[in-house]
Amino acid sequence: KAGVTQTPRYLIKTRGQQVTLSCSPISGHRSVSWYQQTPGQGLQFLFEYFSETQRNKGNFPGRFSGRQFSNSRSEMNVSTLELGDSALYLCASSLGQGAATNEKLFFGSGTQLSVL
Amino acid sequence: GENVEQHPSTLSVQEGDSAVIKCTYSDSASNYFPWYKQELGKRPQLIIDIRSNVGEKKDQRIAVTLNKTAKHFSLHITETQPEDSAVYFCAASFLISGSARQLTFGSGTQLTVLP
Repeated sequence: KAGVTQTPRYLIKTRGQQVTLSCSPISGHRSVSWYQQTPGQGLQFLFEYFSETQRNKGNFPGRFSGRQFSNSRSEMNVSTLELGDSALYLCASSLGQGAATNEKLFFGSGTQLSVL
Repeated sequence: GENVEQHPSTLSVQEGDSAVIKCTYSDSASNYFPWYKQELGKRPQLIIDIRSNVGEKKDQRIAVTLNKTAKHFSLHITETQPEDSAVYFCAASFLISGSARQLTFGSGTQLTVLP
């Protein structure tokens, strides 16, 4: 069974631009969550989706948004990029309802975003 | 929001020694505490988890203990090996509202096992 796939692997953008990251969960997984990873800050929760609905959102500005499609694939978008948005963005999938049922997360390899 | 504090941020041990990483959480309603291991350049992977109705859980050289009263939990690795070198993240699941939960991670511990 293929793992969680994130594309692209690397992105370089300039301040003010916008970016869209993609996440394909493991086949059959219905819940997708997104995390921002920066050195020393651990994994900061962005949002979680289940059955195309955003179940929960972390403490990030409105420039960060996401969605989930009917095939459970998810995208996150960051508009008006700032230097501080440079980070590794990880998505994770789980079989059922994710955090609501305390399930194991399967992480992708992440998208490394650099904002210049 | 809810908080998970993790200590130490870096830990070096000699091969064969034990390593202990500690985390504290703020929400007394938290009921699930997983630990993820992230090797350099790789994705985080679950290594062990514990639920609030259990005080201790072991899996070979790895064990996790939970003290609900004090709101802290710890990861114990015995007989450390070089392949244990990685960043370890603790996490706690806390209640948002109704049945909605969120998994909050600690800031990570870089474990280095010295040969």
